[in-house]
Order: sequence, then structure tokens, then C-alpha cells
Amino acid sequence: DQQVKQNSPSLSVQEGRISILNCDYTNSMFDYFLWYKKYPAEGPTFLISISSIKDKNEDGRFTVFLNKSAKHLSLHIVPSQPGDSAVYFCAASASGGANSKLTFGKGITLSVRP
Amino acid sequence: EAGVVQSPRYKIIEKKQPVAFWCNPISGHNTLYWYRQNLGQGPELLIRYENEEAVDDSQLPKDRFSAERLKGVDSTLKIQPAELGDSAVYLCASSPGTTNNEQFFGPGTRLTVL
Repeated sequence: DQQVKQNSPSLSVQEGRISILNCDYTNSMFDYFLWYKKYPAEGPTFLISISSIKDKNEDGRFTVFLNKSAKHLSLHIVPSQPGDSAVYFCAASASGGANSKLTFGKGITLSVRP
Repeated sequence: EAGVVQSPRYKIIEKKQPVAFWCNPISGHNTLYWYRQNLGQGPELLIRYENEEAVDDSQLPKDRFSAERLKGVDSTLKIQPAELGDSAVYLCASSPGTTNNEQFFGPGTRLTVL
């Protein structure tokens, strides 16, 4: 049973436009959410996170929105750049301290066309 | 600051052979994680260490997998004997133990079992 779902396996957008990557979760105990970015042959790299006490967190071109009632979060990238082309993983953790287990989705492959 | 180091980067073995992976976490990070990432999936936690203590090994297949983190720094993950289904990328991550649960990943070891 997948507790973190990224239902769209891929997304293609034009450079300069907005990329919206979606993630749904089923475990209501999750209270911290992270997005990781992964290039081929590299490990995942932390991008941005959000606590369940917030509904939005912004860092430069990246914004994460959290809708707790819908158990849904999204990552917005604007404007999208070709270097953003990578696999994006949504991850979640439940209360249990700073080092709680992360549950990952399957990932979304983002392609940004020049 | 040096990142998480893993070796080897690639390993090809025949089934029933043993294999070992090594990880050196970021200096000062007390928490170390081993994840397995199957093709087209997100990383899945195998084991988590706090210093030298394994605090979560519930997902580790203990009949063939073992891990150790002597002295609370480097860690080794072993599979003996390897099976075809063990082909995957094995990721090591470390965390400083701050409240944001950000984990820093190494590049991974891609294991192919023939």
C-alpha cells in the first residue's frame, strides 16, 4: 500500500513556464513533507520542505503548497529552466523526532524544453 | 564540506555470491540511513542508525542482509547470498539530527545480480 503517491510519472513543460508537480498521501500521521530532486547517477538532493502547521513554503523559484484536508501537496517551479530537468520525489515523515523515517513516492520525471 | 561517500559505485555479481557496500557519512552526522531504490520506485528505508545503534531495522531482510556501523561513523551493508531480486541502487544518507529532517544522500551503489 503506497502511502505517498505521485500518480503522474512524467511532466514536460516549456522553459519559462510554470511546472506543477503533485503528490498525495494517505497516512494522516504524516506531518512533515519534503521534495527531493535527482539527476541520473546521483543521489537525491533536498530541495524544499514544509511542516503540517503551514500551507505554503517558498524558496526562490520553488514553492510547496500543502492542503491537509485533501492530503495533497504540490511543488511549483517558476520560471522553469532546462537545468530543472530531473526526477522529483515527494517524501513524508510522521512525528517521531528529527530523524524519522522518510516515505517516498515513485517520483516524477520533469523535462523542461528549451 | 564533503558529502556522503559510497563505494563501490557499481557492482555486478552472480547470484548466491556475497556483496558489501560501504558508506562514509557527512562529518558530525550522527544518524545514518541505508535505502534501497528499485527501478521506477522511490527509495525505501532498510535500516537507520543513531550513532552505532540500529534504531529501526524493521524493513531489513535479516535472513540475508546485515549492516554494521562500528564506532558510529562509517557503515557497511552486506548481502549474503545475493538473489536476482536484490538488483537495485543502494543509497546511504546521513542527517545532522536537526528538526527539519533533511537527509543528505550519497550517489548510491548500483548492484546488478546475474
